[in-house]
Amino acid sequence: DIQMTQSPSSLSVSVGDRVTITCRASQSISSSLNWYQQKPGKAPKLLIDGASRLQSGVPSRFSGSGSGTDFTFTISSLQPEDIGTYYCQQSDSFPTFGQGTRLDIK
Amino acid sequence: EVQLVESGGGLVKPGGSLRLSCAASGITFSSCNMNWVRQAPGKGLEWVSSISSSSTYIYYADSVKGRFTISRDNAKSSLYLQMNGLRAEDTAVYYCVRDGSNWIYDYWGQGTLVTVSS
Repeated sequence: DIQMTQSPSSLSVSVGDRVTITCRASQSISSSLNWYQQKPGKAPKLLIDGASRLQSGVPSRFSGSGSGTDFTFTISSLQPEDIGTYYCQQSDSFPTFGQGTRLDIK
Repeated sequence: EVQLVESGGGLVKPGGSLRLSCAASGITFSSCNMNWVRQAPGKGLEWVSSISSSSTYIYYADSVKGRFTISRDNAKSSLYLQMNGLRAEDTAVYYCVRDGSNWIYDYWGQGTLVTVSS
């Protein structure tokens, strides 16, 4: 199995802050990396696939980059509605997820 | 509008069985690969099982292999998960998820809670 290591596990942030989350794969997965947002009590929502392709309707403050084993997810200016938990997921083989990064307001 | 609606969750004793269902609408279900993904309380996401559009290819996570069976009825636009030999560690919210392409999960149901406890 491909292991996904996501960091940090939690972040306390202020509105307007730039937020960066990293995800590392245990082996190369090319660009087969996806990012999901999960709000409390809700199902996850796909934000980015293919490491950097923003889903339709997702605000442009969200972005992703990377390839191989190292990936980054960025929120350029945090908004109150962005609070939740973010997960990376590799789709190179049987899917595995990172442990999640919980964002809350400072 | 795409809707995936799970049902069948509940409280079951260790060793017991449960069958989850997922009713799909707003998608051409018979063309979609479908998955079950679960989330234990306060924990992360775990892929459970996958079935191809015509049921030709079926896969399971090692943690459920031999105990869970995924199936589908394209005529009813429905996905199922038969869970036998349930253990405490199977306690989780189970999500019905569409594979949009190559394990990319673009539509999720609201989830159904399975609790395994004596």
